[in-house]
Amino acid sequence: DAGVIQSPRHEVTEMGQEVTLRCKPISGHNSLFWYRQTMMRGLELLIYFNNNVPIDDSGMPEDRFSAKMPNASFSTLKIQPSEPRDSAVYFCASSEDRGLGNTEAFFGQGTRLTVV
Amino acid sequence: AQSVAQPEDQVNVAEGNPLTVKCTYSVSGNPYLFWYVQYPNRGLQFLLKYITGDNLVKGSYGFEAEFNKSQTSFHLKKPSALVSDSALYFCAVRDNKSNTGKLIFGQGTTLQVKP
Repeated sequence: DAGVIQSPRHEVTEMGQEVTLRCKPISGHNSLFWYRQTMMRGLELLIYFNNNVPIDDSGMPEDRFSAKMPNASFSTLKIQPSEPRDSAVYFCASSEDRGLGNTEAFFGQGTRLTVV
Repeated sequence: AQSVAQPEDQVNVAEGNPLTVKCTYSVSGNPYLFWYVQYPNRGLQFLLKYITGDNLVKGSYGFEAEFNKSQTSFHLKKPSALVSDSALYFCAVRDNKSNTGKLIFGQGTTLQVKP
């Protein structure tokens, strides 16, 4: 398996523009996570899906952020409108969750977002 | 609330010396604990995990971690450090209250191994 695939790897956009980040989880994994990493705040969980259903979105910073998982092999994280403070590395991760909580998550390479 | 703490922002070690990266946790119930490593401009890579059983867990690249229930710790160790081990290390705990699979990460510790 190619692992978790994220696109694009880098995104530079102007303030106010819409940004869409994409993720393809590992085949067979039923849990998907979106994390954001910054120097100031470290690694933050934004949203977590299980079987394509959002379970916990308490980490989504505000209404400008939205995430979808239309099927088991694809998820998007959208920021509209984008702001400079959204600049960060966004990671997608997936795991095979059998309801026991003992499985590790596998991370993608991340998308480095710069909003100017 | 479930949490992990990594008390050291940075650990410096000479190549060939043993290394320890510290992690303490706070959970209700039995903890599921993980260590990840992040190399520059890369995603996080899984190193090892503790679920149950032997307190000493062995993982990738010669790393191991010792689970200590009385001290609520899960320190990462390696007998002989390599310059290539220099990276950012994260300890994480699974939110086992809900069994939903949510991973909670520490702030990370930068390991610097000098030749």
